[in-house]
Amino acid sequence: SQQGEEDPQALSIQEGENATMNCSYKTSINNLQWYRQNSGRGLVHLILIRSNEREKHSGRLRVTLDTSKKSSSLLITASRAADTASYFCATHGSSNTGKLIFGQGTTLQVKP
Amino acid sequence: DTAVSQTPKYLVTQMGNDKSIKCEQNLGHDTMYWYKQDSKKFLKIMFSYNNKELIINETVPNRFSPKSPDKAHLNLHINSLELGDSAVYFCASSHDARRTNEQFFGPGTRLTVL
Repeated sequence: SQQGEEDPQALSIQEGENATMNCSYKTSINNLQWYRQNSGRGLVHLILIRSNEREKHSGRLRVTLDTSKKSSSLLITASRAADTASYFCATHGSSNTGKLIFGQGTTLQVKP
Repeated sequence: DTAVSQTPKYLVTQMGNDKSIKCEQNLGHDTMYWYKQDSKKFLKIMFSYNNKELIINETVPNRFSPKSPDKAHLNLHINSLELGDSAVYFCASSHDARRTNEQFFGPGTRLTVL
């Protein structure tokens, strides 16, 4: 069964605005990761947040994790047209197999 | 230099055929994965190998058989292709499955079964 569910499924904003995407999951996790996928390309890792962390920053990205609510959010500040892509959360559980379970993604369109 | 490469990028074939997709990584990683992404962009793990040993084998029809000749390569062979196999297949790698680190993805192979 699908672990992560993302909200919204699609988001359209103007360049310069902030974009917030949410991810909910069902089981306990070791860490949660966010990936970006440009159209027709592979996924690119953006940021990893461990279960004992609450917030993490990387450039214009800010990720939060609330393990009590089993949810995470990805904030992209001062968005650019180049941020147009699909964004996926992926959870890593307690197994030592490296298995990631992906959400269905949020498609972000940033209009110039 | 391409970190994770896949060939071919596009594959169009008839139902019932057998086809293979190749994957190579030059990152020195120990673990490699195959994912399937459907038309709704849902990405699901299929297989994973760590140092040539199969460690993840999800509920995948046995028409799909992965093969890892060495830890830098993980190929996917599909027998008796069906319409429902049409999807984009991604190969990925990571340092070590036992560590919780990021995965590096290849560009994908778009398989179309007619």
